[in-house]
Amino acid sequence: AQSVAQPEDQVNVAEGNPLTVKCTYSVSGNPYLFWYVQYPNRGLQFLLKYITGDNLVKGSYGFEAEFNKSQTSFHLKKPSALVSDSALYFCAVSRYNTDKLIFGTGTRLQVFP
Amino acid sequence: NAGVTQTPKFQVLKTGQSMTLQCAQDMNHEYMSWYRQDPGMGLRLIHYSVGAGITDQGEVPNGYNVSRSTTEDFPLRLLSAAPSQTSVYFCASSYSRQGTDTQYFGPGTRLTVL
Repeated sequence: AQSVAQPEDQVNVAEGNPLTVKCTYSVSGNPYLFWYVQYPNRGLQFLLKYITGDNLVKGSYGFEAEFNKSQTSFHLKKPSALVSDSALYFCAVSRYNTDKLIFGTGTRLQVFP
Repeated sequence: NAGVTQTPKFQVLKTGQSMTLQCAQDMNHEYMSWYRQDPGMGLRLIHYSVGAGITDQGEVPNGYNVSRSTTEDFPLRLLSAAPSQTSVYFCASSYSRQGTDTQYFGPGTRLTVL
């Protein structure tokens, strides 16, 4: 069975500081990992994904994520946070040849000016 | 491209009423899904489709029906609404398998069942 955990309900960071949103996963076999962002009253938007290859994945809006197989983690990072990054972030996991994507419970990122 | 569209944006139902949530996409995607979003629970898959005429159940299918008569449309039917179905519903589509491909989400339908 697949599962994903986002241990922090909310992350607070000052504008200009680096940010990290944590995600750990459990899946049999090789995982496919995704990050999506949801702005208020909007649908989810794709940020980035890891399928295979380089463990450091770069995505939209300056975000990146690092796949760590030994720690089963896929943390989302950004070197310098913007107030406009404030949103709800979802990590999701699946595996090869599946039609089901399992989402985490979400982490609310609040960036303060 | 309009992308993924959903109607209505808001809906209030009484217990026992039925309704259909509409979803359409103009990207010629084969794969479409319905999710519900509840506080503290993330998104949960209700039903999905891998092409016209083919549907399957997700994590939480009870109380919902779907059909896929065209590539573009994937309506979600609530047969007899219950307060537990109060939620925000998202439709999504992808070019290939939703477990491995980028999904495009609609703006959502906020449903309240009294």
